[in-house]
Amino acid sequence: GQQVMQIPQYQHVQEGEDFTTYCNSSTTLSNIQWYKQRPGGHPVFLIQLVKSGEVKKQKRLTFQFGEAKKNSSLHITATQTTDVGTYFCAGLKAGNNRKLIWGLGTSLAVNP
Amino acid sequence: NAGVTQTPKFQVLKTGQSMTLQCAQDMNHEYMSWYRQDPGMGLRLIHYSVGAGITDQGEVPNGYNVSRSTTEDFPLRLLSAAPSQTSVYFCASSYSFVIGRGTEAFFGQGTRLTVV
Repeated sequence: GQQVMQIPQYQHVQEGEDFTTYCNSSTTLSNIQWYKQRPGGHPVFLIQLVKSGEVKKQKRLTFQFGEAKKNSSLHITATQTTDVGTYFCAGLKAGNNRKLIWGLGTSLAVNP
Repeated sequence: NAGVTQTPKFQVLKTGQSMTLQCAQDMNHEYMSWYRQDPGMGLRLIHYSVGAGITDQGEVPNGYNVSRSTTEDFPLRLLSAAPSQTSVYFCASSYSFVIGRGTEAFFGQGTRLTVV
């Protein structure tokens, strides 16, 4: 069954508002990856975090990996209409890194 | 670079028909995988391969076969299509499955399959 919980499932914001999606794993992860899928498109890799407590930024996007390597978050500052899509987290389970474990995704809608 | 190429983009099958979804990558990636994506279900792993000649089952393998005779190609075969296999199928590849050696997945454009 699903081992990575991702919340919220949907988020609707006004352009300019901030947005955060969270992933929580029941087991320790070797890494956490984040992907974005535009409507009708395919998942596209955004970033990977490997170290405990790691924080990475990509322009308006901030990614965090928890100290226990069981949770992660993606925060978007001042959303734009181009941020619309579904954001997925995925991680490799520590000790078994042959299968990515995926969250169910957070769908972001942005009102202009 | 073409990246990951999937064919066909769209397919309609009748129940009981068989077909093969093609996937090819030109990045010399070790690891290839097939996912299906259904509304509300996220991405579910069907089968994966860690190298030529090596395949293994994922989360939802029933009704599907794979083979990996070359590094580049990883076809997915539907043996006897059922309406429950109506879905969007994605092929993905990664340089490696070893942490620190490029585990990020590159996805194909997807195949939208309808079984009637």
